[in-house]
Amino acid sequence: GAVVSQHPSWVICKSGTSVKIECRSLDFQATTMFWYRQFPKQSLMLMATSNEGSKATYEQGVEKDKFLINHASLTLSTLTVTSAHPEDSSFYICSARKGVNTNVLTFGAGSRLTVL
Amino acid sequence: GNSVTQMEGPVTLSEEAFLTINCTYTATGYPSLFWYVQYPGEGLQLLLKATKADDKGSNKGFEATYRKETTSFHLEKGSVQVSDSAVYFCAPSLRTASKLTFGTGTRLQVTL
Repeated sequence: GAVVSQHPSWVICKSGTSVKIECRSLDFQATTMFWYRQFPKQSLMLMATSNEGSKATYEQGVEKDKFLINHASLTLSTLTVTSAHPEDSSFYICSARKGVNTNVLTFGAGSRLTVL
Repeated sequence: GNSVTQMEGPVTLSEEAFLTINCTYTATGYPSLFWYVQYPGEGLQLLLKATKADDKGSNKGFEATYRKETTSFHLEKGSVQVSDSAVYFCAPSLRTASKLTFGTGTRLQVTL
């Protein structure tokens, strides 16, 4: 199978601090990972595509300096929400693609961020 | 680019009722079609998929048939259970595409 782990599953932080969320592929190597944001009762909004060893590709309207993505290894991508504010509170979900020639994705369980 | 239209929810059904969640899509080329399910407080899980016209994906009693002529991929289940309560997302994706295009999701609530 293919398993993706996200950590932490939930985090509460103060406004102005930075928060790092990890996405790990546990039993496969993922050259590509995706980060999504989901608002209550809404669909997933793709934030960025994370490629191992290169810079992430951000979707239009997503601030790359606000949402820092690092994909340093084939099994780990991180999303850092910098100088978080209450409007950044959301459910963040990552997914990973096993292999190159596939469009089947495995999703993490999500990380709920609450900024006070 | 790809786009998806899903029926608006929430859909509320009694246990053992028949379920249909409509999904139509627009896409360039010949996409694969997916249904993902999101249980409360969790990430998405692949429910089923179909990779070419007339293919039927099935899993856990759910079925969906790839209808190229109507560009649809409607999700059906003959007898829903309370445990099926979740949000269901339809998504087309080209084989070599980097990303899925998700519909808005349809929330299903099954009651006893």
